Order: sequence, then C-alpha cells, then structure tokens
Amino acid sequence: KAGVTQTPRYLIKTRGQQVTLSCSPISGHRSVSWYQQTPGQGLQFLFEYFSETQRNKGNFPGRFSGRQFSNSRSEMNVSTLELGDSALYLCASSLRQGSGLEQYFGPGTRLTVT
Amino acid sequence: GQQLNQSPQSMFIQEGEDVSMNCTSSSIFNTWLWYKQEPGEGPVLLIALYKAGELTSNGRLTAQFGITRKDSFLNISASIPSDVGIYFCAGQLTGATNKLIFGTGTLLAVQP
Repeated sequence: KAGVTQTPRYLIKTRGQQVTLSCSPISGHRSVSWYQQTPGQGLQFLFEYFSETQRNKGNFPGRFSGRQFSNSRSEMNVSTLELGDSALYLCASSLRQGSGLEQYFGPGTRLTVT
Repeated sequence: GQQLNQSPQSMFIQEGEDVSMNCTSSSIFNTWLWYKQEPGEGPVLLIALYKAGELTSNGRLTAQFGITRKDSFLNISASIPSDVGIYFCAGQLTGATNKLIFGTGTLLAVQP
C-alpha cells in the first residue's frame, strides 16, 4: 500500500508570492492534517480536513488555508509569503477523524522563502 | 506554539547501549504516539499507545503510557547505528480531532 505522498518535495519562492502544496493520503484514509516544522517552533498543527470540511484549525494567520477534495487529496495554500514561512510542511493521514487514531506522515515539502 | 516537554534534548551513545527518553505534559492525553524522523523526511510512526498504563513493544523499542495520562516514555535497547535520528513524542487530546501536540524532540546519535 503506498504511503502518504506530497508534492513538490522542494520549493523556492520569494516574499509576497503565494504557494500551493499538495498531499495525497494513504488509500482509504479520509482525514488529512497539515503541520509546519521549523527549528525554532518544532512541529505545529495547521489544520485538519475530513470529508472536504475543515474540522480543526491551529493558531496560524489567515494567509494559511487549505482544502480537501472528494478523493481525500488535500492542498494547502500560503498567500503573501514571508521569510518566516520557510519550513518543512508535513501532511498526515488517518482513516477517519477522531482521537485515538494513528496518523501517518508524508515526506514533507521543504519551502524556502527568499 | 504548544509543545510537550521532552527529555533529554540530545543523547550521544555507543552502539549496544540502551536509551531512554520521556515526555511530560500538564494536559491529559487520550493517545500517545512516538515517531522517528530522519533528515529530509517526515516522521515515521514507531509505537501508538491508547490506554493509561499500556506498555507496548516494537522490536527493540518499548513505550509506556503513563498512568496519570500526562506522560510517556520510550526505551530503545541495544542501540545500533541506524537508530540515529530525532525521536518525537506526540499527544492527542480527547474528542473529534486528529490534532497532535508534539514534543520538542530527542536527537539520538549512536557511535559504532
């Protein structure tokens, strides 16, 4: 069974631009969560999608948004990029929404903002 | 951002030694997960714990869910060079959410 895939793996953007990252969950998994990983803040929760609806949101500004499609694939968008948005963006998939479920991570997208 | 207290921050050991790391929180968690992350990759799930007091093994790895539900530890026995990486604990609160709160990570280096 294929794991979680994320595209692209690496991305370089300039300040003020916007970016869209993609995540395909494990087949059969319907929940996708997004995390930002930086050396200073560690792994921080961005948001969670299930059945094409955002179910939970972390403490990030409105420049960070996402969506989920009917096939459970998810995209994350960051508008008006700032230098501090440079990070590894990880998505994780789970069978369904709810506490007590194992989550599996993709390899991440390394975003560098210059 | 919210993070769990994880210790030690780093460990430099000889091959064959045993390793222990732990996470503590002021919050009660419903689930504890332990992940390993290697450079340039996403975290890989090692062990999942669902009940207070639960002790679970995965090969040379053993983890326990603290009885207070506010802590967890991970032990690695007879370490080998490929154990090198950053180990993260992650806690999951109760309710209809998959949100994970991560520990600060333990960097493990194993010298052959």
